[in-house]
Amino acid sequence: ETGVTQTPRHLVMGMTNKKSLKCEQHLGHNAMYWYKQSAKKPLELMFVYNFKEQTENNSVPSRFSPECPNSSHLFLHLHTLQPEDSALYLCASSTQGSGNQPQHFGDGTRLSIL
Amino acid sequence: QQQVKQSPQSLIVQKGGISIINCAYENTAFDYFPWYQQFPGKGPALLIAIRPDVSEKKEGRFTISFNKSAKQFSLHIMDSQPGDSATYFCAASVWGGSSNTGKLIFGQGTTLQVKP
Repeated sequence: ETGVTQTPRHLVMGMTNKKSLKCEQHLGHNAMYWYKQSAKKPLELMFVYNFKEQTENNSVPSRFSPECPNSSHLFLHLHTLQPEDSALYLCASSTQGSGNQPQHFGDGTRLSIL
Repeated sequence: QQQVKQSPQSLIVQKGGISIINCAYENTAFDYFPWYQQFPGKGPALLIAIRPDVSEKKEGRFTISFNKSAKQFSLHIMDSQPGDSATYFCAASVWGGSSNTGKLIFGQGTTLQVKP
């Protein structure tokens, strides 16, 4: 049990579908993150939210649309994805504040685009 | 300048041996250097971290060595065990900016296999 729960764990979708990934953290954190993990590449930061406000968009294509309704929940809405978007999508959370706080990761959603 | 270069890409060690993974960075503004461990089907988990004001940090069998002048840091796993077989990521954090949250820059990862 990581304290950060992601659903679904696996998702297969066509390029014209619309789906959403969900992340929920039970750690009382106030910062949440989306990362993309592709084979043999470093984890790529996509979005950062602090206290529900988006504070980082790492030049992510608009076919990825994040939503953070509160500090415990984070969504990633997907539409008209491309085959190269197939990857493991990881959510993380941390405490914002003084110093560098460790980020706690969920187990990810394995996304496959047909 | 934002990259963190990690080597080797893969590593095979005998049980009881020492596993060493190295990382190098360019940005002198980095001030936090964590290592994450990831098992198949799981997300990365924080293993150990160091700040640049110390040259070494040890937690059990895991040690980070930090060389500020060379802009390098490494993870040593002493008495490596088969259960240590996983992918290890180094990272570096740039504190500040608009997010006021440590933005982690990850290395490419090292797949460690410890043979029994």
